[in-house]
Amino acid sequence: DAGITQSPRHKVTETGTPVTLRCHQTENHRYMYWYRQDPGHGLRLIHYSYGVKDTDKGEVSDGYSVSRSKTEDFLLTLESATSSQTSVYFCAISGRDTLYNYGYTFGSGTRLTVV
Amino acid sequence: QKEVEQNSGPLSVPEGAIASLNCTYSDRVSQSFFWYRQYSGKSPELIMSIYSNGDKEDGRFTAQLNKASQYVSLLIRDSQPSDSATYLCAVREATAGNKLTFGGGTRVLVKP
Repeated sequence: DAGITQSPRHKVTETGTPVTLRCHQTENHRYMYWYRQDPGHGLRLIHYSYGVKDTDKGEVSDGYSVSRSKTEDFLLTLESATSSQTSVYFCAISGRDTLYNYGYTFGSGTRLTVV
Repeated sequence: QKEVEQNSGPLSVPEGAIASLNCTYSDRVSQSFFWYRQYSGKSPELIMSIYSNGDKEDGRFTAQLNKASQYVSLLIRDSQPSDSATYLCAVREATAGNKLTFGGGTRVLVKP
């Protein structure tokens, strides 16, 4: 989507290897999020960031870490990939910090397969 | 654990009819509600947001919110085959971080 890109779009990796997914935005938005989407579970929050070097856990953070060294980049690392982490990963950005915000803009997603 | 519930469907509607989608949420203090459309293999895209009780209309879409009943709905009028997608309900958590909790989505099929 315009203003937010994810890389890679597809990846196949082996169990036990580390994997890093990248989210890049050009909107200068404060908030960035990583979600995973699985059949029967919908979108679940992994980690999010509310500023450079400011991150916090979501509901499914085990086995994942994140880093945000610049406003525009938010990295998601699977420390030692497992088959249960096979999923579609979405990055999202949000620029408003008020009660009446405008929701998220999502990236195109990364389809990750752990074999 | 905050929950957002949707009927998974599929909701099958004839072309030109009204599609009615429902969503309930558990967090009574939630204030902002969103509907996203997701085509198969694509990312979610925002179609509606609503913050106050009542109806909000945007083109063929109408969002309805009832905070007392913790219920939000989406109506799609004059449904078109291009409306065939999964519709995700999202609720903004009443905590820091501007986090959204998503329902599992309702799959809509519009038949010509």
